[in-house]
Amino acid sequence: DQQVKQNSPSLSVQEGRISILNCDYTNSMFDYFLWYKKYPAEGPTFLISISSIKDKNEDGRFTVFLNKSAKHLSLHIVPSQPGDSAVYFCAASAEYGGTSYGKLTFGQGTILTVHP
Amino acid sequence: DTGVSQDPRHKITKRGQNVTFRCDPISEHNRLYWYRQTLGQGPEFLTYFQNEAQLEKSRLLSDRFSAERPKGSFSTLEIQRTEQGDSAMYLCASSLAGRGASYGYTFGSGTRLTVV
Repeated sequence: DQQVKQNSPSLSVQEGRISILNCDYTNSMFDYFLWYKKYPAEGPTFLISISSIKDKNEDGRFTVFLNKSAKHLSLHIVPSQPGDSAVYFCAASAEYGGTSYGKLTFGQGTILTVHP
Repeated sequence: DTGVSQDPRHKITKRGQNVTFRCDPISEHNRLYWYRQTLGQGPEFLTYFQNEAQLEKSRLLSDRFSAERPKGSFSTLEIQRTEQGDSAMYLCASSLAGRGASYGYTFGSGTRLTVV
């Protein structure tokens, strides 16, 4: 039962252009959504999050959009840089709707490659 | 803040042997999590501690797996009678209770286990 899905295994974009990574979820109890970035041989690094009461959160070049009715979120990176090349994981938490200890359910990840 | 440390970084073991991994969380963090990541998948939740109490274990954690956090500081994850299917990256993460899921948590670099 894959409750969080990232259907695109990989994405390739040109430096300076926009990268859009997508994520779908099925569990209505999720109330926080997070994006993590992972380089090879390192653990995932927290990037940005959004509460289910919001539809947009922005932090510098990174913006996360949430469409609750469609159970869909996306991460926009503008402008994309070669250093952004990594695996991006979408994750969800049922912080208040379920057990409030921060357990995360992750998607399968999308490999982003930004070409110079 | 020295980050989350995991030891060893790599472990190769023969099928049937026991292995133990150690995680040292960020010192003031009272929540500690273990996740497992296999190739092409996102991290999967294994277990969670708040201080020294183990509050949840995933169905993924068979009776060959045991985790401890004896004094609410470092944690160990032991796998008995290893099988080839146990080959994966084992990730530890920590966070501060009450800070909320929106802050994410800090992962270590992981222990890569290979069972031959």
